[in-house]
Amino acid sequence: SSELTQDPAVSVALGQTVRITCQGDSLRSYYASWYQQKPGQAPVLVIYGKNNRPSGIPDRFSGSSSGNTASLTITGAQAEDEADYYCNSRDSSGNHLDRFGGGTKLTVL
Amino acid sequence: QLQLQESGSGLVKPSQTLSLTCAVSGGSISSGGYSWSWIRQPPGKGLEWIGYIYHSGSTYYNPSLKSRVTISVDRSKNQFSLKLSSVTAADTAVYYCARRRITGTTNWFDPWGQGTLVTVSS
Repeated sequence: SSELTQDPAVSVALGQTVRITCQGDSLRSYYASWYQQKPGQAPVLVIYGKNNRPSGIPDRFSGSSSGNTASLTITGAQAEDEADYYCNSRDSSGNHLDRFGGGTKLTVL
Repeated sequence: QLQLQESGSGLVKPSQTLSLTCAVSGGSISSGGYSWSWIRQPPGKGLEWIGYIYHSGSTYYNPSLKSRVTISVDRSKNQFSLKLSSVTAADTAVYYCARRRITGTTNWFDPWGQGTLVTVSS
């Protein structure tokens, strides 16, 4: 399948660690990028490549990949991390196509 | 600092053509190594990749929209545009433009415009 699958919702206690996953065949060949979206705002890139953070993204955000699964980990989740998170990857068909996962709603308790 | 700003009609009638423009500031749209993308998000739903264009003019589109989409670039104005024909209510969404970068086995979208809501209604 060329789709990217994410859990619709995940919750984490304040200060704890949470992993958000993204599954898809294309992830065996390509790294995922991850985006945080808060209500009424545009998505913001938080992780790309093997484990790269853009300037200004806290180091509690990290990325990893194994087989057909990419993961975004937040170590010590903060209240401001409550948001929707989307993964993105190139399509494995080799046709220069892109795809987004369905998104995960993260709730910080 | 590169910034992108979408503009265009916020209300389009069914069967007509949606037209949006993304103005790029703080950098050149002709810079190598980047492509320029459109992504949309229906109300309350997830992100959907529409397509992108390289500075060379090469374009790639989501197969589900390919028959209705055209993305073009105007280097003289440092902007790129989206046209989506034969729209229906299902095309109602916030439309974002973004710069896409690809290196090896990685690609990412950064930065994004603030987005513009397009409603399809008579």
